[in-house]
Amino acid sequence: AQKITQTQPGMFVQEKEAVTLDCTYDTSDPSYGLFWYKQPSSGEMIFLIYQGSYDQQNATEGRYSLNFQKARKSANLVISASQLGDSAMYFCAMREHNYGQNFVFGPGTRLSVLP
Amino acid sequence: DTGVSQDPRHKITKRGQNVTFRCDPISEHNRLYWYRQTLGQGPEFLTYFQNEAQLEKSRLLSDRFSAERPKGSFSTLEIQRTEQGDSAMYLCASSKGDMNTEAFFGQGTRLTVV
Repeated sequence: AQKITQTQPGMFVQEKEAVTLDCTYDTSDPSYGLFWYKQPSSGEMIFLIYQGSYDQQNATEGRYSLNFQKARKSANLVISASQLGDSAMYFCAMREHNYGQNFVFGPGTRLSVLP
Repeated sequence: DTGVSQDPRHKITKRGQNVTFRCDPISEHNRLYWYRQTLGQGPEFLTYFQNEAQLEKSRLLSDRFSAERPKGSFSTLEIQRTEQGDSAMYLCASSKGDMNTEAFFGQGTRLTVV
């Protein structure tokens, strides 16, 4: 079974609007971390935000916030006030404490911000 | 520190040749990861090291692939007898050992097997 599922292959958002990118995950490990990365067309992977499984509050980093619903095993990324430079691939990733500790990535969502 | 460095950035090779890629992680990071990424897909895990020990290998890592991290510093990924299906971006990343720290990625080596 896929450990990370991103059901939106592509998303469009108008500039200055907010957008939510979905991510669901599958693990039986009680200790894990969830990460979001951005990959622009230039190819580099840029870390955006982290959420730990024991964190009580949703993570926020500037215009990025993570809507963490532990019981539903979802960790959706919310980008507020979209900018043209936000157009990129976005990947959700998980790191499990007891199962390898490597980063497992989802298939990604391509976000296009429209002017 | 200039981040994670990978060399070369691009490699074109003929089928059947061997290739070797190098990754220099961030100096204080004890963990180093190799991933493969094909166009439009997420990175696929290949292997990772904690210091010089190779702790996990994906089943994607066939016997034609080998990775080393001598002395826990830089790492090399070698592909022997390359096949066209090996064409991909090979990404290296490093991180500290803490569970709540992100991995920092290099810019990747794009391999084209002709």
